[in-house]
Amino acid sequence: DAGVTQSPTHLIKTRGQQVTLRCSPKSGHDTVSWYQQALGQGPQFIFQYYEEEERQRGNFPDRFSGHQFPNYSSELNVNALLLGDSALYLCASSLAGGNSYEQYFGPGTRLTVT
Amino acid sequence: AQSVTQLGSHVSVSEGALVLLRCNYSSSVPPYLFWYVQYPNQGLQLLLKYTSAATLVKGINGFEAEFKKSETSFHLTKPSAHMSDAAEYFCAVTTSGTYKYIFGTGTRLKVLA
Repeated sequence: DAGVTQSPTHLIKTRGQQVTLRCSPKSGHDTVSWYQQALGQGPQFIFQYYEEEERQRGNFPDRFSGHQFPNYSSELNVNALLLGDSALYLCASSLAGGNSYEQYFGPGTRLTVT
Repeated sequence: AQSVTQLGSHVSVSEGALVLLRCNYSSSVPPYLFWYVQYPNQGLQLLLKYTSAATLVKGINGFEAEFKKSETSFHLTKPSAHMSDAAEYFCAVTTSGTYKYIFGTGTRLKVLA
């Protein structure tokens, strides 16, 4: 049973560039959430996608956008990168309508902005 | 709104000693609570969860946590620490009808030989 996968593992970008991160949910899951984890901090919720729509959004600027595809995989896009966007980006998948509210996390993508 | 406070950003215990990692939450509605572990350069692994069933929750690797509504706490314990328990631990809260987890700032556990 494949868990949550993310690509790439590591990424180095220059300030002002754009980046796309990818996530494939755990088999059977239909909901994808994205979190940003800065060094030494807990993960912060960016947004969640369900049925190809953004269902809820955290306190992140519009430079952060996403997409969910019909196969439930998801992308996180960040435009006009800032040094402060350097972080571990975690994708989590879950099953809508479940009563456990459990999210399964991927290994993350480490983004470094120089 | 919900929030989580983890007391102690760093905790050190001797191998074989009791592990106690503290988590206090704030929520105006019944919470769902989780403990996750993160090893260096890895994602988050679920240790255990409280979803309004039994208040004493047992998880993987010998960890357990007790939900205490009166104290708004969900502390993580393990009777005997092992070297492999050295990692960062995160407490998280969510509630019915919301979709996001609110995480604490984490506690780094160090196990001394």
